[in-house]
Amino acid sequence: DTAVSQTPKYLVTQMGNDKSIKCEQNLGHDTMYWYKQDSKKFLKIMFSYNNKELIINETVPNRFSPKSPDKAHLNLHINSLELGDSAVYFCASSLLFGGEETQYFGPGTRLLVL
Amino acid sequence: AQSVAQPEDQVNVAEGNPLTVKCTYSVSGNPYLFWYVQYPNRGLQFLLKYITGDNLVKGSYGFEAEFNKSQTSFHLKKPSALVSDSALYFCAVELSFGAGTTVTVRA
Repeated sequence: DTAVSQTPKYLVTQMGNDKSIKCEQNLGHDTMYWYKQDSKKFLKIMFSYNNKELIINETVPNRFSPKSPDKAHLNLHINSLELGDSAVYFCASSLLFGGEETQYFGPGTRLLVL
Repeated sequence: AQSVAQPEDQVNVAEGNPLTVKCTYSVSGNPYLFWYVQYPNRGLQFLLKYITGDNLVKGSYGFEAEFNKSQTSFHLKKPSALVSDSALYFCAVELSFGAGTTVTVRA
């Protein structure tokens, strides 16, 4: 069973479109995260949710909106896609929020904006 | 504020030789430190973490890391590298990641 899953795996779309990436974890964790890995492999946290509540929002454009229908899911909606949004987006989860908890990552969603 | 630095973009070693990947950090209070590995075209995997206790932490795939508070370092080590260890390694302090170090192990 996949612990943290993301769909789709690949996403190719035109500039200006709106798209969503879904994430689900079956680990019973309370906290979920979204990371962006750019073309230079640099990883940066975007959002974190704990029990469906937003706890981290790291200066991400308003075009990005996370939505957590329940604590097992954290979806990422992106409006008006731009070329610079092309990246790999990783979802992750941990048992609790806080630096001491190990994070488990999904396989990533490779987004290409044309 | 917290930050983490991986001073080497690339590390090249021969198979069978010791492997060290360097990491230094800056954080107030007690640090929570992690190492992750990303194999080519794959997701991130947890290797090991330091929370408290013994300064030498053992992790997956034969890796270990040594926490050195006075030098604010958390270097990743493996006594005998394998070609299959070739990957991108990330050090992290809490939720902040270093820029990554590409390890290439040649046969």
